[in-house]
Amino acid sequence: GAVVSQHPSRVICKSGTSVKIECRSLDFQATTMFWYRQFPKKSLMLMATSNEGSKATYEQGVEKDKFLINHASLTLSTLTVTSAHPEDSSFYICSARDSGHNSPLHFGNGTRLTVT
Amino acid sequence: AQTVTQSQPEMSVQEAETVTLSCTYDTSENNYYLFWYKQPPSRQMILVIRQEAYKQQNATENRFSVNFQKAAKSFSLKISDSQLGDTAMYFCAFGLLNTDKLIFGTGTRLQVFP
Repeated sequence: GAVVSQHPSRVICKSGTSVKIECRSLDFQATTMFWYRQFPKKSLMLMATSNEGSKATYEQGVEKDKFLINHASLTLSTLTVTSAHPEDSSFYICSARDSGHNSPLHFGNGTRLTVT
Repeated sequence: AQTVTQSQPEMSVQEAETVTLSCTYDTSENNYYLFWYKQPPSRQMILVIRQEAYKQQNATENRFSVNFQKAAKSFSLKISDSQLGDTAMYFCAFGLLNTDKLIFGTGTRLQVFP
């Protein structure tokens, strides 16, 4: 069945560095992918909509220069956390759906980012 | 703007018993979807059940069923014959038609005891 893969599953980086998180649709094409952020024991907050071949659409309050999103192909969206700070530590989850079929939305397994 | 509210941060139930998780939402839209997702300790988001707002009949999926009250903007999840594997966080979510962008509630942590 359709699978969304995220990589890495866990990453630890130092404050001030940048980290890239990948979201791949493994056996389907997705013109749109979504990035969520989940704080410990909290809900998923939509950060942005990743659009293949065009700019991402960011939700209110999300810094687009801080969270760079690139959706260069129909199977890959990347989220880059630039100049990471400890407050960026969180669980990041992406979702995608097969654009060509009336199929359910699939979520990746998430990426736990820890900024030290 | 849409909002989703889950007023029960934690719930517990004994194995084989029935439990109901509450969810209310607010929207000015008439057509939309409502979802219940399960997030076990693995953190994988798993779709439990989906309801289309234009359907009056409550959705059911094996041991899971919903009580959808459109006028009251209420969408509760009933889990029958609870199993230990049902232990997880449960999120209620709202989605508009023609978009996969979801608005999630704050979640209810369900513990099933043997």
